Amino acid sequence: DAGITQSPRYKITETGRQVTLMCHQTWSHSYMFWYRQDLGHGLRLIYYSAAADITDKGEVPDGYVVSRSKTENFPLTLESATRSQTSVYFCASSEAGASYNEQFFGPGTRLTVL
Amino acid sequence: DAKTTQPNSMESNEEEPVHLPCNHSTISGTDYIHWYRQLPSQGPEYVIHGLTSNVNNRMASLAIAEDRKSSTLILHRATLRDAAVYYCIPPGPEVGADGLTFGKGTHLIIQP
Repeated sequence: DAGITQSPRYKITETGRQVTLMCHQTWSHSYMFWYRQDLGHGLRLIYYSAAADITDKGEVPDGYVVSRSKTENFPLTLESATRSQTSVYFCASSEAGASYNEQFFGPGTRLTVL
Repeated sequence: DAKTTQPNSMESNEEEPVHLPCNHSTISGTDYIHWYRQLPSQGPEYVIHGLTSNVNNRMASLAIAEDRKSSTLILHRATLRDAAVYYCIPPGPEVGADGLTFGKGTHLIIQP
């Protein structure tokens, strides 16, 4: 399917476990992003990637790890999940930097850490 | 820092125009003003963006003040499907060069 997809859509895990959220886009966009959205708040940028093998921190990177070995995939890993990481996670992609280009968002992954 | 100020919520009637204001008094001269919206239980979607002059697309119009310290998103004829949270977003250097800074946005309620 064309577009940007995220998996899983829902995930429940326990404190201390490792969790990986997947993001896949079919447009060959250079840029990909991970945001988190907490109840009643706007989105906050976790990490972004300008191209394969290039990643950079956003506003709230602590506790997260990303990689980008292929242009179309941008997985986000919580190495040791904490309750404060309970959130909805959105992946996005764009042809170039957000300053000038539309970002396309995935449907989100709702993560609950018990 | 490019910060934005939007009303927490606004209400409008179906098939009437809606004007959503945003103040961004600290915006720099090269920052584009972006608007996104988020429908319930969905990811954000792009609405429109502009730099200095007014912009139009199939979804909305964006009116930018001459001093660029404020802008207004205009939905010409609101439908029930336009009920969403609308985010006014000027990209800023504090969130990395290429990320978007989302505030709390304006919750738009459309009455039938």
